[in-house]
Amino acid sequence: DAEITQSPRHKITETGRQVTLACHQTWNHNNMFWYRQDLGHGLRLIHYSYGVQDTNKGEVSDGYSVSRSNTEDLPLTLESAASSQTSVYFCASSTWTKGDTQYFGPGTRLTVL
Amino acid sequence: LAKTTQPISMDSYEGQEVNITCSHNNIATNDYITWYQQFPSQGPRFIIQGYKTKVTNEVASLFIPADRKSSTLSLPRVSLSDTAVYYCLVGDLTGANNLFFGTGTRLTVIP
Repeated sequence: DAEITQSPRHKITETGRQVTLACHQTWNHNNMFWYRQDLGHGLRLIHYSYGVQDTNKGEVSDGYSVSRSNTEDLPLTLESAASSQTSVYFCASSTWTKGDTQYFGPGTRLTVL
Repeated sequence: LAKTTQPISMDSYEGQEVNITCSHNNIATNDYITWYQQFPSQGPRFIIQGYKTKVTNEVASLFIPADRKSSTLSLPRVSLSDTAVYYCLVGDLTGANNLFFGTGTRLTVIP
C-alpha cells in the first residue's frame, strides 16, 4: 500500500546544530508539504513543493529550508536549530484534483535544547 | 486568505449526534471546505470535503448553506473513539498559500 513516512520519529538536538527531517511518500503525489504543530497554534505551513525542483515558502519559513530532487522525498532542514523550533513536524502530500485531500505522515517530535 | 473560526472545544455523550460549526466569512468562489480529524500523536486524517449543499459519506455529513460563509460537520452517534481534534480547512486546492488549518475543535466524548 502507498504511504507517507517520516524519520526520525523523535529527535533531540542542541541549539545551533543543523538538523534534517526526512519525508518519503510512495503515493507518487506531485505536492508535498511541511507543517509544524504547537499548542495553541494548530498546524502552520512551513514550506511546500508542487513538483521536482519546485519549493515555496509558507507561513513560518524562517530558519527552515527544503529541496525537492525527486517526487518521493522532501527533506526539511533546520540550518541552525533554535529552542523556538521545538515542535512536532508533519509532512503531507497531495495531488491537485477535484476533491483532493492531503495525506499526512505520523510526525516527528523535535526537541532543541 | 480564507481563515476559519471554530469553537475551541466541545463535549458530548456517547451515542449523541455532534455538530461542529466552522465560520469562513471570506471564502472565495473557488474554495472547497475540507474537514480533518487528528488523534493524539498522529497526523491529521481526511474526513469529508464539500463545495456547497450537503455531502455525506460513511463517517460524517457536511452541511454548507447557500452563502457558504459557514459549514457544519455532523458526526452521527459518536463513540469514545471519536475523541479527537477536528480541523476545518478552506482552500481552492490550487495553491498551498491558500490553506489555513486554524487551531481546530477538541471534541471529548464522555461515556
